[in-house]
Amino acid sequence: KQEVTQIPAALSVPEGENLVLNCSFTDSAIYNLQWFRQDPGKGLTSLLLIQSSQREQTSGRLNASLDKSSGRSTLYIAASQPGDSATYLCAVRVGETSGSRLTFGEGTQLTVNP
Amino acid sequence: DAGITQSPRYKITETGRQVTLMCHQTWSHSYMFWYRQDLGHGLRLIYYSAAADITDKGEVPDGYVVSRSKTENFPLTLESATRSQTSVYFCASRQGPSNTEAFFGQGTRLTVV
Repeated sequence: KQEVTQIPAALSVPEGENLVLNCSFTDSAIYNLQWFRQDPGKGLTSLLLIQSSQREQTSGRLNASLDKSSGRSTLYIAASQPGDSATYLCAVRVGETSGSRLTFGEGTQLTVNP
Repeated sequence: DAGITQSPRYKITETGRQVTLMCHQTWSHSYMFWYRQDLGHGLRLIYYSAAADITDKGEVPDGYVVSRSKTENFPLTLESATRSQTSVYFCASRQGPSNTEAFFGQGTRLTVV
């Protein structure tokens, strides 16, 4: 059974700092990995999707990497801003059963202090 | 508005009542999903649908019923609500079986008292 772990569970940084969020998964046979952002009381916003054949994806100040063989992904946020404060969720898409459902980690709660 | 919308956003109901949560998407995505989000468990798949009239169970389907008579709608029904079904429910959609993004609705916060 695929399990996804995100470390740390919470992170507090001063504005302007570069930071890395970690995601690990137990089964390397994934189709893709998706990073989401969730604001309090809100839905999930897709940030980046990395296909299993890719090593990284970039969008603005965000860069996500994928190392399938080691079962790891990182989300790098450059020059963090208070508006980046949210919970960041990592999800891997597994297999052809259950509609290739996403298996989620429990998230990293990020606070960027002005 | 385009996208995926859920209704209601908030719902309080009593134990034993039937409740239906609605999900509507405007992209004509083939796949639709229902997840629940709980502290300590993250998001877990309840049911999914690969197309109209095709549905299947996910990880935690007990106590829930779904239907998909039209591609754009995927309602989730709690037949007899229990307190353990107090949760935040998210609907999601994806274009197809290929490697595409999943998009999520804003969620429905359901409280069963």
